[in-house]
Amino acid sequence: DQQVKQNSPSLSVQEGRISILNCDYTNSMFDYFLWYKKYPAEGPTFLISISSIKDKNEDGRFTVFLNKSAKHLSLHIVPSQPGDSAVYFCAATLGGSQGNLIFGKGTKLSVKP
Amino acid sequence: DTEVTQTPKHLVMGMTNKKSLKCEQHMGHRAMYWYKQKAKKPPELMFVYSYEKLSINESVPSRFSPECPNSSLLNLHLHALQPEDSALYLCASSQSWSGVYGYTFGSGTRLTVV
Repeated sequence: DQQVKQNSPSLSVQEGRISILNCDYTNSMFDYFLWYKKYPAEGPTFLISISSIKDKNEDGRFTVFLNKSAKHLSLHIVPSQPGDSAVYFCAATLGGSQGNLIFGKGTKLSVKP
Repeated sequence: DTEVTQTPKHLVMGMTNKKSLKCEQHMGHRAMYWYKQKAKKPPELMFVYSYEKLSINESVPSRFSPECPNSSLLNLHLHALQPEDSALYLCASSQSWSGVYGYTFGSGTRLTVV
């Protein structure tokens, strides 16, 4: 059973526009949510995280929104750039003694010039 | 140094071979992880080391044997692997359990079992 779901395998956006990547989760005990970006043949790169006690975290062009009641989070990239083209993984962790990152299947973002 | 270094980058091994994957970080992170990623799938946790002790083993077959010689090094010893074990093996480290600072991943070792 997938605890972290990214239902859109791919997303195509025009350069300069907003990219919105969505993620749903089922386990209400997750205490941190993270977004990773992955280029082919490279390891995932940490982008931004959000604590379950917050509803928004912003870092430059990247903003993550958390809706706990809907068990939904989203990553907004504004403005989108061609270099943002990559696979984006949503991940969640239980923290505490667990230390396990649970990943979604990823969404491939293509930003067209 | 803000990197996790994995060697080798590529490895081809036969089913009777013994090989090791190596991972190194000098960020003072006390938690280190092995993940396995198959094509078009998310990374899946294999092992977690905390303060050089194995704390999580996600029911990984014994043909995979992790080792943490010190706080900067993490090895994954491979023996009698199967072709279905071919995957990208990712090492990661983190400053804390909660992941609030994010995990730092290495570039991975692309393993092919023939």
